[in-house]
Amino acid sequence: GNSVTQMEGPVTLSEEAFLTINCTYTATGYPSLFWYVQYPGEGLQLLLKATKADDKGSNKGFEATYRKETTSFHLEKGSVQVSDSAVYFCALNPLGVFGKGTRLSVIA
Amino acid sequence: EAGVAQSPRYKIIEKRQSVAFWCNPISGHATLYWYQQILGQGPKLLIQFQNNGVVDDSQLPKDRFSAERLKGVDSTLKIQPAKLEDSAVYLCASSVEDRGKAFFGQGTRLTVV
Repeated sequence: GNSVTQMEGPVTLSEEAFLTINCTYTATGYPSLFWYVQYPGEGLQLLLKATKADDKGSNKGFEATYRKETTSFHLEKGSVQVSDSAVYFCALNPLGVFGKGTRLSVIA
Repeated sequence: EAGVAQSPRYKIIEKRQSVAFWCNPISGHATLYWYQQILGQGPKLLIQFQNNGVVDDSQLPKDRFSAERLKGVDSTLKIQPAKLEDSAVYLCASSVEDRGKAFFGQGTRLTVV
């Protein structure tokens, strides 16, 4: 069946550091891939998505590229801010499969 | 546009009692999901509807959980009887179609004591 594996946290970075959160998937066919973010005390919200191989999703300085050959969708940001502190979830559709989440803490 | 509405926001019940959650998806969204999110874990899909038909309910504990989506709009999720391990946040989400991005409600936090 479909599954998502993402790196375990927590991840603690200093402000302006480079961020990578790894995500790999197993799926039949050609899923759509997503990163969701959950800020403290808030609900889940979509951060970015990619619907086919080699697509790059981007939003708020975050990027992720759909790599079919490595079945990966790693999340990156060149310079993190304190306000990026949150839990990040990699997910795929159809069938709404989520990874376990990676907690990111950015310190000033 | 209005988001996904869920109620109640919080619920505390004793084990072996029953509870029901309600979800009103975004208008026009054919796909509706119910997730269970246990503290510190990612959301686990319980059931997915496409209009009023069930697409996947393979992870729904059918001996105690049930869900319905009458008329392909609102949905209810019921637990009867509840167990301590059912304590979690129950999230409803909807999307235009099953490959699209999902919009999440604020969730219902259930505590079973």
